Amino acid sequence: DAGVIQSPRHEVTEMGQEVTLRCKPISGHNSLFWYRQTMMRGLELLIYFNNNVPIDDSGMPEDRFSAKMPNASFSTLKIQPSEPRDSAVYFCASSLAQGASNQPQHFGDGTRLSIL
Amino acid sequence: AQSVTQLGSHVSVSEGALVLLRCNYSSSVPPYLFWYVQYPNQGLQLLLKYTTGATLVKGINGFEAEFKKSETSFHLTKPSAHMSDAAEYFCAAGEGNKLVFGAGTILRVKS
Repeated sequence: DAGVIQSPRHEVTEMGQEVTLRCKPISGHNSLFWYRQTMMRGLELLIYFNNNVPIDDSGMPEDRFSAKMPNASFSTLKIQPSEPRDSAVYFCASSLAQGASNQPQHFGDGTRLSIL
Repeated sequence: AQSVTQLGSHVSVSEGALVLLRCNYSSSVPPYLFWYVQYPNQGLQLLLKYTTGATLVKGINGFEAEFKKSETSFHLTKPSAHMSDAAEYFCAAGEGNKLVFGAGTILRVKS
């Protein structure tokens, strides 16, 4: 079975540009998570969805960040405008969890984002 | 709120030696617990999980972890390290529908 698919794998863009990261969760999973990983801060949860509905976006750093999940098989994380400090690896993960945390999360390979 | 502490940001062992990576959680109510491994330029992969039942949990690649409620710990072990085990390892605890991750431990295996 296909795992979590993220695109692009790498993105290099200039400061001020809009960046859109994409994620396709594992079919049948009803929870989706966006994380950011940096050397300084480690792995941070940005936002998560249950059944396509955003449940907790308290980790989204600023209003420049937004995430959507228009259907069960697709989610986007958008940064507009982008800044150099947004450079990081962004991971998407999905799970069967719904109100229970005993299900593991399955991670994509990430998008390595560099803002110049 | 749940917190997860991994003692030692870097651990170095010789090939064939015992691997011990430490993890402690904070909540008084035992959470669900997980260990993940991350190889360079890849996402996190599940090694093993503890939900209920047997406190010694076996995972992939010869790893196992033991849940100890009295010590609020979930340490990861492997009897004999291989070069291919070099990676970063994350302990995580369930909180609601989320996972709370530790800061990670980078395992180096010396030949």
